[in-house]
Amino acid sequence: DAKTTQPPSMDCAEGRAANLPCNHSTISGNEYVYWYRQIHSQGPQYIIHGLKNNETNEMASLIITEDRKSSTLILPHATLRDTAVYYCIAMDSNYQLIWGAGTKLIIKP
Amino acid sequence: DTAVSQTPKYLVTQMGNDKSIKCEQNLGHDTMYWYKQDSKKFLKIMFSYNNKELIINETVPNRFSPKSPDKAHLNLHINSLELGDSAVYFCASSATSLGAEAFFGQGTRLTVV
Repeated sequence: DAKTTQPPSMDCAEGRAANLPCNHSTISGNEYVYWYRQIHSQGPQYIIHGLKNNETNEMASLIITEDRKSSTLILPHATLRDTAVYYCIAMDSNYQLIWGAGTKLIIKP
Repeated sequence: DTAVSQTPKYLVTQMGNDKSIKCEQNLGHDTMYWYKQDSKKFLKIMFSYNNKELIINETVPNRFSPKSPDKAHLNLHINSLELGDSAVYFCASSATSLGAEAFFGQGTRLTVV
C-alpha cells in the first residue's frame, strides 16, 4: 500500500495560487492519487484524481511528476472558503482510500 | 437535495448501550462506506459495501456491523458501546466499488459517556 506524506500546514494569501505538495514515493504503477479536502465540521469533499497525466477540473489542477513519486495540487485563485484540510490519498489493493494526516491550508485575507 | 445524508448528527449515549446511525444516498451509487474519524482527525475506513460484497477493515471490532436494507441505505449498528468509540462517523458512497469519486455525508458525532 502506498503511503503519502504532506506538510502539516501551509498559508496562502487570498487570490494567489495555493500549491500543495504530496510525496508518494512508494506508489505502484496502477495506483491513482486522489485529493480530497475537509472544511471544518463538514464531510470530506472530492477534488480531483490522476494516474500519470496532469489533470484539471473546475476546482483545481493536479500535477504529477514523471516518476509518479510526487504530485502538487494547485488551487489557482484561493479564496477564504478554500481554508480546509487537504488530503492526498492513494488506494490500497482493495480499492480502499488510505488517508493520512493531510495539510491544513489557511487562506489569509 | 442532500446527496448523502446521515442521522443523527449528534449522538450522546452511555457505555454498554447499543446504537444505530442511519445513512441514505440518492445518487444511485452502487457502493457505500463507513469511515471513522478519531480525535486526531485521521479518517479510517471501516466498511465498504455493494450489493455483491462486503469488505471489512480487519481492525474494526465485531461490535460494529453494517446493515443494508437496500442499495440506497447503509446503516451502522454498534453494540456494547465503549468510551473509545467516541468519534465522528462518516457515511459515503461512490458509483462503483473501484474507488472513484466518493461523496460524504456530514458526519455523526458520537460521544460515549
